[in-house]
Formats: sequence, C-alpha cells, structure tokens
Amino acid sequence: EVQLLESGGGLVQPGGSLRLSCAASGFNFNVYTMAWVRQAPGKGLEWVSSISDIAGSTEYADSVKGRFTISRDNSKKTVHLQMSSLRAEDAAIYYCAKDIGGWDAFDVWGQGTTVTVSS
Amino acid sequence: AIQLTQSPSSLSASVGDKVTFTCRASQDIGSTLAWYQQKLGRPPTLLIYDASTLKSGVPSRFSGSGSGTDFTLTISSLQPEDFASYYCQQFNTYPLTFGGGTKLQIK
Repeated sequence: EVQLLESGGGLVQPGGSLRLSCAASGFNFNVYTMAWVRQAPGKGLEWVSSISDIAGSTEYADSVKGRFTISRDNSKKTVHLQMSSLRAEDAAIYYCAKDIGGWDAFDVWGQGTTVTVSS
Repeated sequence: AIQLTQSPSSLSASVGDKVTFTCRASQDIGSTLAWYQQKLGRPPTLLIYDASTLKSGVPSRFSGSGSGTDFTLTISSLQPEDFASYYCQQFNTYPLTFGGGTKLQIK
C-alpha cells in the first residue's frame, strides 16, 4: 500500500524551530518529487516546498524562503522539513505529498502533522 | 506568482444535480492544472490533473476541461459523498499555487 506518514509536529514558541519528517512506503521513492503543503485552521491549501527525485533540487514558497529547509534521504525513504524562526502564521496542518510523476500534481498525501506556534 | 481564483466560494446543491466549478488563472498556464477534493478533517485527494485527465479510480461523473486561463470541474450527478471542498492547483510555474477553494454544501 502506498503510504506517507508524517511526524514531528507540536507546540513551539514564536522564533523557535521544529523538524517535520515524512516516511514513505509502497512506492519507488527515489524517482518522485516530494512536497510539503500546509493548511492553516479553517483556511485553504498552501504549497510550502518541493524537492526533486534524485538530483534533490529544491523550491520554496516566498513565505518560508530562508526559514525552512526541505531535504530527503532516499536510502531511508524519508523527506524532512526543517523549520526555523517560526511565526504565528506558520501554524497549520503540514501534509507530505508525492507528485504523480512528470507533473507537480500530488496523488498521495499523508494524514498531516499539526504545528502550533504560540507562547 | 500565478494567482488562481475559484468561483463560487460556496455552492449549495442537491443529490443528482449537475454542478460546475470554475478556476481562473492570472496568466496562461496551458493545461497544467489539477483539481482536488477535500472532506472535513481529511487530507486532499487528487481528482484530475493536466486539466482533464481523470486520476485512476476517480468516478467518471467527475470531469475537467479548459486550458490557458479558464478551467472548469464538473460533477455530472451529485452523490452524497461529493459534498466537500474543491481546490484547483497550477503546476506550470513555481511557486505552485492553489485556488481559494469552493465549498459544496447540501441544499
């Protein structure tokens, strides 16, 4: 079964850091672009970051550029999102997603992990 | 960044109705558009990509059309499980962007 399982969410103070992880299973992880998409409470979807398959090239939303870093470990089939200088507006459910292959549309999503930023 | 504007923001309809959602891009994106369904408390699920290609396993009552800047998602005959929110997403250019969503409610 194709599956993505996020972890690492929690409560963090403004200015703090958090590292999210996403464990993949059931597909050839190495050949797919992976992404993080977030959803603030009661709001719509916002793409955060993507990392390509083998080359590992990265892209970021302007709202997180310079504060978040995406990485992947193909040997462990995991993708990470290192978040620093967190702000209240970063509070959201963070979903890990797999692209469909050839297009940056996402056909597999994890259940999400919740990040709360509050003092 | 490419902006996607979805209309309407909410829609009330009945089981059996045909409904159409619209997504308009701020610039030409060819056919690089996807549609997602999201039910409350659940992650999104992909319905359509490349503007009109139905993802395997998605019921045929869903269809997508359009190219350039104007796109539509149509549900030919609403089923009870279709009441959810729907989002479009462009993958023509980074940053990837989503529309604001359309919430489909039971009339």
